[in-house]
Amino acid sequence: DVKVTQSSRYLVKRTGEKVFLECVQDMDHENMFWYRQDPGLGLRLIYFSYDVKMKEKGDIPEGYSVSREKKERFSLILESASTNQTSMYLCASSSYRELYSNQPQHFGDGTRLSIL
Amino acid sequence: AQSVTQLGSHVSVSEGALVLLRCNYSSSVPPYLFWYVQYPNQGLQLLLKYTSAATLVKGINGFEAEFKKSETSFHLTKPSAHMSDAAEYFCAVSETGANNLFFGTGTRLTVIP
Repeated sequence: DVKVTQSSRYLVKRTGEKVFLECVQDMDHENMFWYRQDPGLGLRLIYFSYDVKMKEKGDIPEGYSVSREKKERFSLILESASTNQTSMYLCASSSYRELYSNQPQHFGDGTRLSIL
Repeated sequence: AQSVTQLGSHVSVSEGALVLLRCNYSSSVPPYLFWYVQYPNQGLQLLLKYTSAATLVKGINGFEAEFKKSETSFHLTKPSAHMSDAAEYFCAVSETGANNLFFGTGTRLTVIP
């Protein structure tokens, strides 16, 4: 089974802090994604990556950056945390090898981040 | 442009009753469609996915969904609800050749004993 591991389940930070959310997958997947989940809004894509050192903006990249130095690890960075970034953050991965099939994304358990 | 609409942010059913969660999509090309389930304090788990091979798709835990192109729908059903089905359900769409998923806003299912 694919395992996507997010480093923290719960995190509390202060406004203005630089925050790192880490995600590791163990299936050698090329694609990795960061979403935020808010009530009534579903999941919204922040950033994704198709390969090491590659990144693409999703629908809501403002206030975030990402890093992918190794294939298995995808980090989400809040450069200067603000209260409106309080949310559930979900990491996912998928295989590029099945690009033209309807293969699914595999999700971690999420990090619930509170910015005070 | 792709989008997904889930009608009803909350659905309540009695244990043993039919579960019907609605999903309509828009896509300029033949879509890939998915249903995910999220149990409390967990990530999303794939329930089922649409392949062009069959319009009726069977997933895990007794769920199934039917792709209806004429109605641009992919509704999720289960004949008999179980208490363990209480969760939030998300419909998602992606276009051919793309890996990005577009999610609906989710439907929270409550099962009444």
